[in-house]
Amino acid sequence: ETGVTQSPTHLIKTRGQQVTLRCSSQSGHNTVSWYQQALGQGPQFIFQYYREEENGRGNFPPRFSGLQFPNYSSELNVNALELDDSALYLCASRTDSNTGELFFGEGSRLTVL
Amino acid sequence: RKEVEQDPGPFNVPEGATVAFNCTYSNSASQSFFWYRQDCRKEPKLLMSVYSSGNEDGRFTAQLNRASQYISLLIRDSKLSDSATYLCVVTRGPNTGNQFYFGTGTSLTVIP
Repeated sequence: ETGVTQSPTHLIKTRGQQVTLRCSSQSGHNTVSWYQQALGQGPQFIFQYYREEENGRGNFPPRFSGLQFPNYSSELNVNALELDDSALYLCASRTDSNTGELFFGEGSRLTVL
Repeated sequence: RKEVEQDPGPFNVPEGATVAFNCTYSNSASQSFFWYRQDCRKEPKLLMSVYSSGNEDGRFTAQLNRASQYISLLIRDSKLSDSATYLCVVTRGPNTGNQFYFGTGTSLTVIP
């Protein structure tokens, strides 16, 4: 158990719809990052939040957006869903010290039809 | 060019074998280096950090060559429980916090 929880665990959407994924970080962790993991691929960095501010973004279009709340939980929003958005979305939390340990949730598996 | 490149494998080795995985990274400004392990349908978990001087944790040895931008992981005396995907990870980023970049992963199956 990492203490990071994500919801929902599975969901199915159709092209053009919007989705919101949620993440509760481990207690004491103020940094949250989101990753997209397609089948057979490694996690791809989407963006990172530190104390409610986005402080890094990977190569994802603006229709991928996020929020971090005062309790450090986070949301990932994806608008205008495309078939290629089908993937496992992982949330990871950590402290702001520069250690290497990300604590991942079990992920939200999104299928876009 | 990808931040991190790995041979995806798969590597199928017998129990007791020694196996090595390699990884290269493209950005010389990368700051920290790690190996993560991901079991099938599970989330990634930190296996070990990688230091320039090389480091060992039991049967696992990690090496970093900054000049060549190359990272390796050696697993000795492979166990069935080592079967997993091994992800090479590098970090870089602004002063406010490192951002983590993952390779595609190398799949290992240890065969009885």
